[in-house]
Amino acid sequence: DSGVTQTPKHLITATGQRVTLRCSPRSGDLSVYWYQQSLDQGLQFLIQYYNGEERAKGNILERFSAQQFPDLHSELNLSSLELGDSALYFCASSISQGAGETQYFGPGTRLLVL
Amino acid sequence: GENVEQHPSTLSVQEGDSAVIKCTYSDSASNYFPWYKQELGKRPQLIIDIRSNVGEKKDQRIAVTLNKTAKHFSLHITETQPEDSAVYFCAPAVAPGAQKLVFGQGTRLTINP
Repeated sequence: DSGVTQTPKHLITATGQRVTLRCSPRSGDLSVYWYQQSLDQGLQFLIQYYNGEERAKGNILERFSAQQFPDLHSELNLSSLELGDSALYFCASSISQGAGETQYFGPGTRLLVL
Repeated sequence: GENVEQHPSTLSVQEGDSAVIKCTYSDSASNYFPWYKQELGKRPQLIIDIRSNVGEKKDQRIAVTLNKTAKHFSLHITETQPEDSAVYFCAPAVAPGAQKLVFGQGTRLTINP
């Protein structure tokens, strides 16, 4: 157990809908990263927050947004969902804002868009 | 940005043999070199990392070697066991400073009994 929690574990929804994925980092970690992993694909970095502020953006679609709250948990919002958004979404946390620290991954949320 | 390539993309070895996975990167400023292991249906987990001030690091059956001149680093697993079957990802980065990890495409390692 990495100490990072994600809810829900599974999510099934329809095209055009909107969903929210939640992540709670390890105690003491200030950075949260979001990744998308499609079937048989690698880990695609989406976005990073550090202590409530956006720090880095990757290949995140405009239909996706995220935020980190004062208690450091983070939410990833996916809207106008398409079939291709079906994937495993991981969040990870680390102590600092730099990439040179160990990232601890949550168990992931498996999203299926029908 | 950093371009990262892993080779091979799939690797199958007999139990007890050794496995080597190579990661090539493009950013010469990279100085942090981690390897993550992802078992089927599970989260990625850091298994070993190295910083550019050392050329090799070993932890029991796994080791990482770094060649900064050639801009590649490798994961070595000796005496492979069935539980080593997983997808392995490298993610070189510039530390501190880099805001994100760029993961390689992954290497699927299968250990045959």
